[in-house]
Amino acid sequence: DAKTTQPTSMDCAEGRAANLPCNHSTISGNEYVYWYRQIHSQGPQYIIHGLKNNETNEMASLIITEDRKSSTLILPHATLRDTAVYYCIVRGVYNFNKFYFGSGTKLNVKP
Amino acid sequence: GAGVSQSPSNKVTEKGKDVELRCDPISGHTALYWYRQSLGQGLEFLIYFQGNSAPDKSGLPSDRFSAERTGGSVSTLTIQRTQQEDSAVYLCASSLSGGTNEQFFGPGTRLTVL
Repeated sequence: DAKTTQPTSMDCAEGRAANLPCNHSTISGNEYVYWYRQIHSQGPQYIIHGLKNNETNEMASLIITEDRKSSTLILPHATLRDTAVYYCIVRGVYNFNKFYFGSGTKLNVKP
Repeated sequence: GAGVSQSPSNKVTEKGKDVELRCDPISGHTALYWYRQSLGQGLEFLIYFQGNSAPDKSGLPSDRFSAERTGGSVSTLTIQRTQQEDSAVYLCASSLSGGTNEQFFGPGTRLTVL
């Protein structure tokens, strides 16, 4: 049932932009892309979501390709507190209760 | 306001015992979800409640698992005759409604079955 593919881990220097990729080549037209993150020993935290347009909020930006088969989460100025596992999730409008969390990307922000 | 709370934060039990895990969602949230996260793994969907509708139980791994939500608020996840493979962190989340609304997660209950 894996609907998304993410790298296992990534490193980023503090203060630089962190770009986390996600492939979701089987996404269908009514499915949204969500990003959550989980800091060690805490519950997941919502970051952002989008359907086809790029989105930006106070935490991050979400860039979705025109064919919607991949997306990138951008943390513009990573801090040490952004070290976490980042999950890219595809969620349908009709099966919205099915949130498939894969293994995510462990982002290591280094000083 | 208060976030999602779960109790207990940690539970150690012996194999074969029953356990109850509690979730208090954010007030006014009609949707409630239970997930399980085994060590080093992603989240596994268990069950979903939306208002007074019948819950979606499709994620429950066996008939030893059950959940209820009383009065559309507090939820209890019950695991009967616990097995060692049930050891995991059990996470509860709530959202304003279903659909595309953001889920707010609780801190989880760490269950250890000896």
